[in-house]
Amino acid sequence: GESVGLHLPTLSVQEGDNSIINCAYSNSASDYFIWYKQESGKGPQFIIDIRSNMDKRQGQRVTVLLNKTVKHLSLQIAATQPGDSAVYFCAEPQRTGFQKLVFGTGTRLLVSP
Amino acid sequence: NAGVMQNPRHLVRRRGQEARLRCSPMKGHSHVYWYRQLPEEGLKFMVYLQKENIIDESGMPKERFSAEFPKEGPSILRIQQVVRGDSAAYFCASSQSGQGAGANVLTFGAGSRLTVL
Repeated sequence: GESVGLHLPTLSVQEGDNSIINCAYSNSASDYFIWYKQESGKGPQFIIDIRSNMDKRQGQRVTVLLNKTVKHLSLQIAATQPGDSAVYFCAEPQRTGFQKLVFGTGTRLLVSP
Repeated sequence: NAGVMQNPRHLVRRRGQEARLRCSPMKGHSHVYWYRQLPEEGLKFMVYLQKENIIDESGMPKERFSAEFPKEGPSILRIQQVVRGDSAAYFCASSQSGQGAGANVLTFGAGSRLTVL
C-alpha cells in the first residue's frame, strides 16, 4: 500500500546550522506533499507544501525539494534556531483534494544553543 | 480567531468507561477530521465529517468508536468501553472546504490525550 516514511528518527544540530529532514514515499502517482511541525504537547502545524509539478518551493527559512525520480522529498531549514526543535512529518493526501492525510513516522529535530 | 479548540486536553479513564472528546473547528470551517496518534508515531486518519454528515469513517475501528458533528455545537468523538490500547492523543483538524485549492491545508487542534488505566 501507499506509505510515507522518514529516513532518520532524530536529527541533532547546532544553532545556526542548516537542517535537512528527508522523506521517502512509495506511490509514484502522489502529486501533493505537506510538511508539518509538531512541538511537544501541541498539534501539527503546517509549514510548507509542494505539488508534483514543482521540484522546489521556498518559504521563510524553509525549502522543500521534491525528486520524483527517486520518490524523495526533503525539508531544509536554514539557520536553525532552538525554536525549530520539534518533530517534523511529511504527509500526503490519499486522494487529491481530500484530507485523508497519510503521515510518516516523523523526525525529531533537536537544536542545541 | 481562536483556532481549532479541543477539550479536554487530558482525560483519564478506567477500562470499560466511556470517553468523549470534543472539537470546535475554526470559525468559517465546516469540515472536521479526527486523527489518532500513538506515542512516537505519525497521525492516523480516523474520520471526516461535515455538519450532520459522516463523509468517510474508514479509519474508525468498527466497534466502540463513533463520531458526530451536529448542526449546532462541537464535533464529538466517542469511545465506549475503553481499553488500554485506546490510550493515545486524538487530534481534531478543520478546513474551509474538502475539495480544491486551499482545502489541503488542515488546521489542527492541540489534541486530547486519553489515558486508560
